Amino acid sequence: DTAVSQTPKYLVTQMGNDKSIKCEQNLGHDTMYWYKQDSKKFLKIMFSYNNKELIINETVPNRFSPKSPDKAHLNLHINSLELGDSAVYFCASSQDTAGGREQYFGPGTRLTVT
Amino acid sequence: GENVEQHPSTLSVQEGDSAVIKCTYSDSASNYFPWYKQELGKGPQLIIDIRSNVGEKKDQRIAVTLNKTAKHFSLHITETQPEDSAVYFCAASSSGNQFYFGTGTSLTVIP
Repeated sequence: DTAVSQTPKYLVTQMGNDKSIKCEQNLGHDTMYWYKQDSKKFLKIMFSYNNKELIINETVPNRFSPKSPDKAHLNLHINSLELGDSAVYFCASSQDTAGGREQYFGPGTRLTVT
Repeated sequence: GENVEQHPSTLSVQEGDSAVIKCTYSDSASNYFPWYKQELGKGPQLIIDIRSNVGEKKDQRIAVTLNKTAKHFSLHITETQPEDSAVYFCAASSSGNQFYFGTGTSLTVIP
């Protein structure tokens, strides 16, 4: 069974459109994240939610709005898409354990804005 | 905030040789240091991690060392195989659920 899943895997859209990416985790983790990976492979955190509450909101345009309907889901809605939004977006989840703070990533959503 | 630097950015080794990737961090509050392997077209996958109360951890051909005083940690892969070719990321985390990633190392194992 997939631990962290994202849909869609690929998303091609035009500038100005609004789109959503969905994420679900079946690991029972309390914390979920959205990351953006650019063409140089840099991984940058965008948002972090713990038990449906926003705990980290990095410098991200307010066109990006995360929504967490429950602990297992964290969706990302993007308004008025721009060319610079083209990237791979990864959802992740983590849980504090005695051994650490293991974080697991989804397969990614490649967003291309034309 | 935390700043994680990772070197080298690219690394090529012959099959069977060892590979070492090094990271430094700046925030002494960081207490958890995971390493991820990202294969082409996939998400990063946790391969090994270490907490700040441990100096070294080993899992088969992979080992991680941590020097808290110098604020650096390293990934060691022995007896490299072609399937080890991937991009490797280090990260540092404190208790605030925030993970800071290095810039990645593209490892190529030449058969």
